[in-house]
Amino acid sequence: EIVLTQSPGTLSLSPGERATLSCRASQSVTSNYLAWYQQKPGQAPRLLIYGASSRAPGIPDRFSGTGSGTDFTLTISRLEPEDLAVYYCQQYGRPSTFGQGTRLEIK
Amino acid sequence: EVQLVESGGALVQPGRSLRLSCTTSGFSFRDSAMSWFRQAPGKGLEWVGLIRSETYGGTREYAASVKGRFTISRDDSNSVAHLQMYRLTTEDTGVYYCAKPLRVYPDSTGAGKYWGQGTLVTVSS
Repeated sequence: EIVLTQSPGTLSLSPGERATLSCRASQSVTSNYLAWYQQKPGQAPRLLIYGASSRAPGIPDRFSGTGSGTDFTLTISRLEPEDLAVYYCQQYGRPSTFGQGTRLEIK
Repeated sequence: EVQLVESGGALVQPGRSLRLSCTTSGFSFRDSAMSWFRQAPGKGLEWVGLIRSETYGGTREYAASVKGRFTISRDDSNSVAHLQMYRLTTEDTGVYYCAKPLRVYPDSTGAGKYWGQGTLVTVSS
């Protein structure tokens, strides 16, 4: 199965700054089947990005995904206090696997 | 409005069985694959498995950690998905989520677009 490694483990930034989150796969992700989720405390995950770069309906354009093959990035421009959350990448090939998550703290 | 509501979570002893249900509304259930995920306390997300629609044979796929112990089924008449869990261990403790994925292709398991609120399963003696 594909192992996803996310970095950094924790990111602490101020409102208005840009956040760059990385997800590296142990082998090439099939058809760029790579998704990003946001999970706030006590809530279910929320899909942000699918297909590595397609924004899910209703997601602000501050969130963008790039990458292909084994290296993927989620960028959050102009951080807002509400972006405090854990962010997960998932490859949804067969079988599916998740990264361990990046915790985003807002100063 | 798409809604998914999980139920059936409980405290169970190791080695016992439990069935979770995911009651849905707001979309064409029979035309949709359904997924299950879980999250151990304080840990990350884990994909559990998937059942495709009958149009695609109703085929099922499972994570290695649950294959042979868990079974996903669907009741298209009532728009409900089930997760039957056997031979539970303490490692199965966590919040279980059902999700309606985006389109599932033959070589994919789909990204979870709509999620339920989760149901807690605790395996402990």
